[in-house]
Amino acid sequence: GQNIDQPTEMTATEGAIVQINCTYQTSGFNGLFWYQQHAGEAPTFLSYNVLDGLEEKGRFSSFLSRSKGYSYLLLKELQMKDSASYLCAVRPISGGYNKLIFGAGTRLAVHP
Amino acid sequence: DTGVSQDPRHKITKRGQNVTFRCDPISEHNRLYWYRQTLGQGPEFLTYFQNEAQLEKSRLLSDRFSAERPKGSFSTLEIQRTEQGDSAMYLCASSPRKTGDHNEQFFGPGTRLTVL
Repeated sequence: GQNIDQPTEMTATEGAIVQINCTYQTSGFNGLFWYQQHAGEAPTFLSYNVLDGLEEKGRFSSFLSRSKGYSYLLLKELQMKDSASYLCAVRPISGGYNKLIFGAGTRLAVHP
Repeated sequence: DTGVSQDPRHKITKRGQNVTFRCDPISEHNRLYWYRQTLGQGPEFLTYFQNEAQLEKSRLLSDRFSAERPKGSFSTLEIQRTEQGDSAMYLCASSPRKTGDHNEQFFGPGTRLTVL
């Protein structure tokens, strides 16, 4: 089966750093994605990890440990516009690249 | 091409009615996906097309749901005899043909269905 866990809500201050954790259990693993979703809008791609380690992209970084079934998304220099839901998604190995299994999302509120 | 488009953006219907949604993927994306998202949850996979072939269907897709992609371009998702539990955001996504292990999915704005 598949199970993805991430905190429901987080709050942070503008200019600060926040880390959003994601743990997963899947029957096979072929990559982990982070998406950002503002209220009422479509998810937009942030990052992708398939090998262990850190991927950095501007103010956003994502880390993966396959042996621990663990990832985190790190957001630096927080801005008010970063208030959104952050979705962790795993691509299972079965069936090729056919789907993503999403967590419930972490709702991040950035305040002044 | 500005991205994945979906029509309509909102649909309100009465229980028992049939509804049909349309998705236009990014040009030349041969892979197309439908997901359903309810409030406070992440998207749940419904079905996947590669070109015109429907290659995978979730158990969530009951026999009241049918999806097509007749010419390998746009896709439709039909729900027959709608139920209040069908109320959700229906998201379409597409990804390109390129091989490799990234294959990011690009999402459309969704169709919000409300069943009264």
